[in-house]
Amino acid sequence: EPEVTQTPSHQVTQMGQEVILRCVPISNHLYFYWYRQILGQKVEFLVSFYNNEISEKSEIFDDQFSVERPDGSNFTLKIRSTKLEDSAMYFCATSWREDSPLHFGNGTRLTVT
Amino acid sequence: AQSVTQPDIHITVSEGASLELRCNYSYGATPYLFWYVQSPGQGLQLLLKYFSGDTLVQGIKGFEAEFKRSQSSFNLRKPSVHWSDAAEYFCAVVGSNYKLTFGKGTLLTVNP
Repeated sequence: EPEVTQTPSHQVTQMGQEVILRCVPISNHLYFYWYRQILGQKVEFLVSFYNNEISEKSEIFDDQFSVERPDGSNFTLKIRSTKLEDSAMYFCATSWREDSPLHFGNGTRLTVT
Repeated sequence: AQSVTQPDIHITVSEGASLELRCNYSYGATPYLFWYVQSPGQGLQLLLKYFSGDTLVQGIKGFEAEFKRSQSSFNLRKPSVHWSDAAEYFCAVVGSNYKLTFGKGTLLTVNP
């Protein structure tokens, strides 16, 4: 069964550094999402992306965050200047229709020191 | 805005026992409801979903869930739990904006 692939599985970075988290969606999926799960807390919506633009973003998704599909296959989440509180598990999810179930990747654990 | 409540943070059951994980949602119209499972170090795997129709839905791994509109609930059940079912379970709802809202999760421990 096709799956969503995320790289790296674990990223350690220093506060203030930029990080890029990568996701390869399932090939015929058109809707893309990033979710975040801080340790011990619930999974939270960050942003949705369709037709090369952001559809919706949460209040967490401030100016330090950006998303893009640079080459038509990868879907990336960039954090410009990481903070300690950005440490979390970041999940990419994709779907082929807006109302179809999301398929999640295994996540990238981001640790900011 | 929609919301999801999972009242039980942690549940422990014995292997072979039955299981019910509770989920209550808040949403004005008919929701789309999901249960996801997360094993340690893994991503979120879809167990089952409810969009419309039969209120008792079957999922993978022997799980089922029942949508009860009158109780705003979508409880997950399994008649006989296996040790491999130990994981964290998340109920989620999609509202009019097609954005998933998750509950805080229920951690399931299975005793041998």
